[in-house]
Amino acid sequence: AIQMTQSPSSLSASVGDRVTITCRASQAIRNDLGWYQQKPGKAPKLLIYAVSSLQNGVPSRFSGSGSGTDFTLTISSLQPEDFATYYCLQDYNYPQTFGQGTKVEI
Amino acid sequence: EVQLVESGGGLVQPGGSLRLSCAASGFTFSDYYMDWVRQAPGKGLEWVGRSRNKVHSHTTEYAASVKGRFTISRDDSKNLADLQMNILKIEDTAVYYCVRGFCSGPTCPDFYGMDVWGQGTTVTVSS
Repeated sequence: AIQMTQSPSSLSASVGDRVTITCRASQAIRNDLGWYQQKPGKAPKLLIYAVSSLQNGVPSRFSGSGSGTDFTLTISSLQPEDFATYYCLQDYNYPQTFGQGTKVEI
Repeated sequence: EVQLVESGGGLVQPGGSLRLSCAASGFTFSDYYMDWVRQAPGKGLEWVGRSRNKVHSHTTEYAASVKGRFTISRDDSKNLADLQMNILKIEDTAVYYCVRGFCSGPTCPDFYGMDVWGQGTTVTVSS
């Protein structure tokens, strides 16, 4: 199975900060990478698919980039509602695998 | 409104069985892949399995941790997807989410992601 390694595992940032979360795949996964946000007690929410495509309704402060094995989620200006845990997911092959998560604390 | 509602969670003893159901509404169910994702208490997300859409004959895929024990089925006429869980283990304790997978088209040349999630149902395996 492809392993997805996120870094950092957690971070503390202030409102207005630019935040970057990295996800590294154990092998190349083309552009088959998405990012999900999960708030406590809630179901995850799709933010970005195919590395850089913004899901409908997601604020433009979220963006994704990368290729091959290294991918990045960027929040350009952190807002209070962005407090959450973020997961990457590879859908290049089965089993689909999530990263371990990055907890963003405001 | 596009919606997924899970049911069927509960407490079960190790070695037992449980069947989860997912009722879909607000979209053409037969066009979409349906996945199950779980989250153990205090842990991250784990993909459990998938039922492909009607175009792909509802074929299925499973995580290694559940293969041979769990079975995903669906009834497109009723907009229902089920997860039959047998030989349950303590490590199967989790919140189970029913999830819609969306693609670039009905034949799914490109899988884009899991765009609609249910609220989750809790499965506890304990003696």
